[in-house]
Amino acid sequence: GENVEQHPSTLSVQEGDSAVIKCTYSDSASNYFPWYKQELGKGPQLIIDIRSNVGEKKDQRIAVTLNKTAKHFSLHITETQPEDSAVYFCAASLPSGNTGKLIFGQGTTLQVKP
Amino acid sequence: EPEVTQTPSHQVTQMGQEVILRCVPISNHLYFYWYRQILGQKVEFLVSFYNNEISEKSEIFDDQFSVERPDGSNFTLKIRSTKLEDSAMYFCASSGPPLYTDTQYFGPGTRLTVL
Repeated sequence: GENVEQHPSTLSVQEGDSAVIKCTYSDSASNYFPWYKQELGKGPQLIIDIRSNVGEKKDQRIAVTLNKTAKHFSLHITETQPEDSAVYFCAASLPSGNTGKLIFGQGTTLQVKP
Repeated sequence: EPEVTQTPSHQVTQMGQEVILRCVPISNHLYFYWYRQILGQKVEFLVSFYNNEISEKSEIFDDQFSVERPDGSNFTLKIRSTKLEDSAMYFCASSGPPLYTDTQYFGPGTRLTVL
């Protein structure tokens, strides 16, 4: 089955710096790759997603890139702010004609220091 | 903005007892999911549900677990005889029209503590 690996497990940056989190997936049929932000005690919140027919997607300070050949995708956060501090999860999903289940990475704890 | 809601936020139960976790998915969504997250670990898929039946279930979702959509708005997860290892956060998610069917929105979760 699909497996998603996420790195790094923890990331500490200074406010204003960029942060990059990387994920690899195993099933080349996966075609949907969301990123979730989870704050303490809350549920995962979708922040950006990308589909396999697109190589890059940007939403203000957040961008995601996808390399289908290498089977990896990355989250880029620019101009980080203390409120970006949270756990970030990547996930992968097979085409929605299947069940749509998401396979999550292990998570990255991002700390943005003021 | 529409959101997934879950009740209760925290459930404490004795080992061997039955619990029912409740979710109200986003209106008009057609696909429903339960995931769980053991403290400090990744989010794990439990089950997906569409058209009033289970689409897929993981190996975690054994005979002690069941799901139901008893009416047009609620989606429930029942654990018949809880074990200590069932202690976790349980998240409900939903997806479907008018948005992409694969975009899943998560609820705030129910923290289940089995003593």
